[in-house]
Amino acid sequence: DADVTQTPRNRITKTGKRIMLECSQTKGHDRMYWYRQDPGLGLRLIYYSFDVKDINKGEISDGYSVSRQAQAKFSLSLESAIPNQTALYFCATSDPTSSYEQYFGPGTRLTVT
Amino acid sequence: RKEVEQDPGPFNVPEGATVAFNCTYSNSASQSFFWYRQDCRKEPKLLMSVYSSGNEDGRFTAQLNRASQYISLLIRDSKLSDSATYLCVVKSGGSYIPTFGRGTSLIVHP
Repeated sequence: DADVTQTPRNRITKTGKRIMLECSQTKGHDRMYWYRQDPGLGLRLIYYSFDVKDINKGEISDGYSVSRQAQAKFSLSLESAIPNQTALYFCATSDPTSSYEQYFGPGTRLTVT
Repeated sequence: RKEVEQDPGPFNVPEGATVAFNCTYSNSASQSFFWYRQDCRKEPKLLMSVYSSGNEDGRFTAQLNRASQYISLLIRDSKLSDSATYLCVVKSGGSYIPTFGRGTSLIVHP
């Protein structure tokens, strides 16, 4: 089984809808991240969390919110989706004792029409 | 200047060729360096860490040049399966968050 899972894997939604992307991990890592990837722009950090009580904004947090329900779960919400939030979204985890290597989930392809 | 810069490519090379990518970083306090590989529409995966003394893993060699603030990745005897995007990742000592480059695309053709 994959160490980092994301659901859904693909989603098409309409402008204005609320949508939640979920991430679960079995690696036992405290640190979790949400990124989006757009062609030509690389990976951009949306939010990150270093433990259940710690939530931090990344470089592009506007329009997004997160919830760290447990060490293993980190959800990303789009309160009112807009077309320019169409992107590939990745969740990642890391263990600070392991050279900060990040482990990524398989990604969620989100399309906002 | 962007914190981490890579030539987006694509680098088009024949099988068996040797190809090298560079990645420059702007923060002289950067401490940790990595190369990740990303296949089309897949998640990035760690390819190798980059140590001060350089390191080699089979056909792949990574090097760090602190004076000129760049890291490099050399791939020898390219295979078709090496076709992917290679992401440079840098973490500075003052930050908990690594910074990803935009990636360099490699296409290996028969």
